[in-house]
Amino acid sequence: TQLLEQSPQFLSIQEGENLTVYCNSSSVFSSLQWYRQEPGEGPVLLVTVVTGGEVKKLKRLTFQFGDARKDSSLHITAAQPGDTGLYLCAAKMNTGFQKLVFGTGTRLLVSP
Amino acid sequence: EADIYQTPRYLVIGTGKKITLECSQTMGHDKMYWYQQDPGMELHLIHYSYGVNSTEKGDLSSESTVSRIRTEHFPLTLESARPSHTSQYLCASSAIDSGYEQYFGPGTRLTVT
Repeated sequence: TQLLEQSPQFLSIQEGENLTVYCNSSSVFSSLQWYRQEPGEGPVLLVTVVTGGEVKKLKRLTFQFGDARKDSSLHITAAQPGDTGLYLCAAKMNTGFQKLVFGTGTRLLVSP
Repeated sequence: EADIYQTPRYLVIGTGKKITLECSQTMGHDKMYWYQQDPGMELHLIHYSYGVNSTEKGDLSSESTVSRIRTEHFPLTLESARPSHTSQYLCASSAIDSGYEQYFGPGTRLTVT
């Protein structure tokens, strides 16, 4: 059973389009992070959300944490080819160790 | 900018060979992790460490072993490589008060023939 489900699994769009990807769970998390991974590289942290209902913006990227802290979304405005990559959400498990569980990932391809 | 390094970046090796994947970080982070990832798929935690002389197995069973003799160094060893070990191996670290944010190395892509 996958703790964090991401949708869609794959998204192919044209430059300039808007898109939203989702990260859903039946569990409540104290915090959630979004990473972007380019082919052949390790994931790079984009943002951490902590408070239910929190919205954070990073240039053209908008991140939202659900009110119940069970889900999150990432919205990209006017996508660019440089946004291409694998987007992973990750949440902290409620254990004594700082262990993250990663989502299934959304692979985004933005064509010129 | 995160300073975490992995070597080699790519490795092709025959079945039965012993290999060690290196991971080093210069940020003084206490916690370090090893993940296994198939291309384009999710990450699976295989080992982690609280600090020096601490190692724990992760969620995904792995035949590899790790050691943590120095804070900055967290190597992963496979005593006898098999084709089923072919994957990408990612090392990460985090600070004790970072808010659980992890910094990743570039990964080692391992192919066992």
